Amino acid sequence: QKEVEQNSGPLSVPEGAIASLNCTYSDRGSQSFFWYRQYSGKSPELIMFIYSNGDKEDGRFTAQLNKASQYVSLLIRDSQPSDSATYLCAVIPDMRFGAGTRLTVKP
Amino acid sequence: DGGITQSPKYLFRKEGQNVTLSCEQNLNHDAMYWYRQDPGQGLRLIYYSQIVNDFQKGDIAEGYSVSREKKESFPLTVTSAQKNPTAFYLCASRRSGGLGYTDTQYFGPGTRLTVL
Repeated sequence: QKEVEQNSGPLSVPEGAIASLNCTYSDRGSQSFFWYRQYSGKSPELIMFIYSNGDKEDGRFTAQLNKASQYVSLLIRDSQPSDSATYLCAVIPDMRFGAGTRLTVKP
Repeated sequence: DGGITQSPKYLFRKEGQNVTLSCEQNLNHDAMYWYRQDPGQGLRLIYYSQIVNDFQKGDIAEGYSVSREKKESFPLTVTSAQKNPTAFYLCASRRSGGLGYTDTQYFGPGTRLTVL
């Protein structure tokens, strides 16, 4: 069974800190990796995706991919209370999701 | 105004009844997906369809059925065989179901099903 695992939460960081969210996957054939944010009771919304080894930055968000280690991470710089949500990692081509990591940013 | 619609938003079912959840998209996407989410949990794949008239089981297909007769529609039926159907159900679509590795998956607003 193809597995997508995320670091267990919940994760709590102070406002202004860097939040680090991690995801590992078992299928070496995985091509691309998506990070979604989900607020309580709402549907997931895309933050960013990455498919090449290395870093990809988009505003306060940075995705990091290491295919050799089968590891993808999401860094959130200058965390804000509005970033408090569950973060989901998804892997294609199967579009399977990890269990999510709940992040709380404390003012 | 493009997007994915799901109806109803809330659904109540008595034990032993079948219910059908609607999912419609006007994004002209080939691939559509159904997920189940339990409280505090991630998304689990129920069924997916990469093209009209074709669909595959996901990880938790037992007790569910789907059809894909039209590109824009992918209804999910929760049958009485599903022992614990109370959950949040999310429908999603992507432009392609294959290795289009930059194709974003978009989600509908979800249907919250409660079995009484």
